[in-house]
Amino acid sequence: AQSVAQPEDQVNVAEGNPLTVKCTYSVSGNPYLFWYVQYPNRGLQFLLKYITGDNLVKGSYGFEAEFNKSQTSFHLKKPSALVSDSALYFCAVRETGGNNRLAFGKGNQVVVIP
Amino acid sequence: EAGVAQSPRYKIIEKRQSVAFWCNPISGHATLYWYQQILGQGPKLLIQFQNNGVVDDSQLPKDRFSAERLKGVDSTLKIQPAKLEDSAVYLCASSLGQGVSEQYFGPGTRLTVT
Repeated sequence: AQSVAQPEDQVNVAEGNPLTVKCTYSVSGNPYLFWYVQYPNRGLQFLLKYITGDNLVKGSYGFEAEFNKSQTSFHLKKPSALVSDSALYFCAVRETGGNNRLAFGKGNQVVVIP
Repeated sequence: EAGVAQSPRYKIIEKRQSVAFWCNPISGHATLYWYQQILGQGPKLLIQFQNNGVVDDSQLPKDRFSAERLKGVDSTLKIQPAKLEDSAVYLCASSLGQGVSEQYFGPGTRLTVT
């Protein structure tokens, strides 16, 4: 079954510095990969997805993610963090073929320090 | 475009009582999902509907949880009887189709079972 690991519980970064949130995945076939963000008392919001093609995917709010098949990773990045980026970030994976179930990681709390 | 609507936003019940949650997806979205998000964890799929048919309910505790999507639009999720471990946020999401379509989430219902 597909699974996702988000190894860090919390990521602290100073405003204006680069932000990276790590994600590794496990699937038996080819992956579809997603990043979602959750603000307090709100539902998850879609940021970006990798389906096929270019390994660097650009998404909403200046975020991007790089798919690395050899390292089975899909790290989320932003060149310059904003205080408003402070939120909970979830990586998710779905296998091509098989069931359509999206498996989410446990989430990473990002704290951007002014 | 209106988002996914859920009600109630908060519910407190005693164990062994019953509770129901309601979801109205984005207009035109054929696929509807119910997730359970326990504090500190990522969302876990409970059930997925395609129109009014069930696609995946393999992770739904069927002895106490039930869900329906009459007419392929609104959906209700019921728990009867509730247990302490059912305390969680219940998220509803919808998407245009299955597969690689991104999911749009509602704000969730926070359930506390005492």
